[in-house]
Amino acid sequence: QVQLQESGPGLVKPSQTLSLTCTVSGASLTNNEYYWSWVRQPPGKGLEWIGYIYYSGDSFNNPSLRSRLTISMDTSKNQFSLKLTSVTAADTAFYYCARYNQANGGNFDHWGQGPLVIVSS
Amino acid sequence: EIVLTQSPDFQSVTPKETVTITCRASQTIGSSLHWYQHKPNQSPKLLIKFASQSISGVPSRFSGSGSGADFTLTISGLEAEDAATYYCQQSYGLPLTFGGGTKVEIK
Repeated sequence: QVQLQESGPGLVKPSQTLSLTCTVSGASLTNNEYYWSWVRQPPGKGLEWIGYIYYSGDSFNNPSLRSRLTISMDTSKNQFSLKLTSVTAADTAFYYCARYNQANGGNFDHWGQGPLVIVSS
Repeated sequence: EIVLTQSPDFQSVTPKETVTITCRASQTIGSSLHWYQHKPNQSPKLLIKFASQSISGVPSRFSGSGSGADFTLTISGLEAEDAATYYCQQSYGLPLTFGGGTKVEIK
């Protein structure tokens, strides 16, 4: 059974860096069928794809965040991470990690719980 | 960027009715369109892949259709547990994008 679990601070100060880690169980980050992704949802708004990382270490980010965003992975721990710099209140959102199944058509077939991260002083 | 426009934004429906949600892409995307159900305090759930292909474990009352730029999600015989927001998502090109969502309320 595939499970994803986000971890990280729920409160970040403006201008600082938002950091989250997703721990995956039941699937290997080194499986070449999947991309490991981040999706966020500001409260009361829709879903926004942030970016994803492939088993090779290549990452692809949403251009709207590209200059502030880093996605990395630690295959020894089966974890991947998100770092978003220079955050503002607009970055307050529920942050989901998700498995993107390219082989199955390019959809998100497993998701984490999506903790709320608040940007506030 | 491929923009997905969903309609309606909100729908209030009586149980057993049929619900139809549309998703229009800003360019042709073949069948690279997927549907999700998102309930409060839960993570999104994949309902339909490739516009019309069913997902194991999803009730058969959920179906999808369309290709090119116009797609439809149909819920035939709405049940109370179907109250949620529904999103379409395209995988044709980067950045991956979602529609704005359609909230379905049960009367």
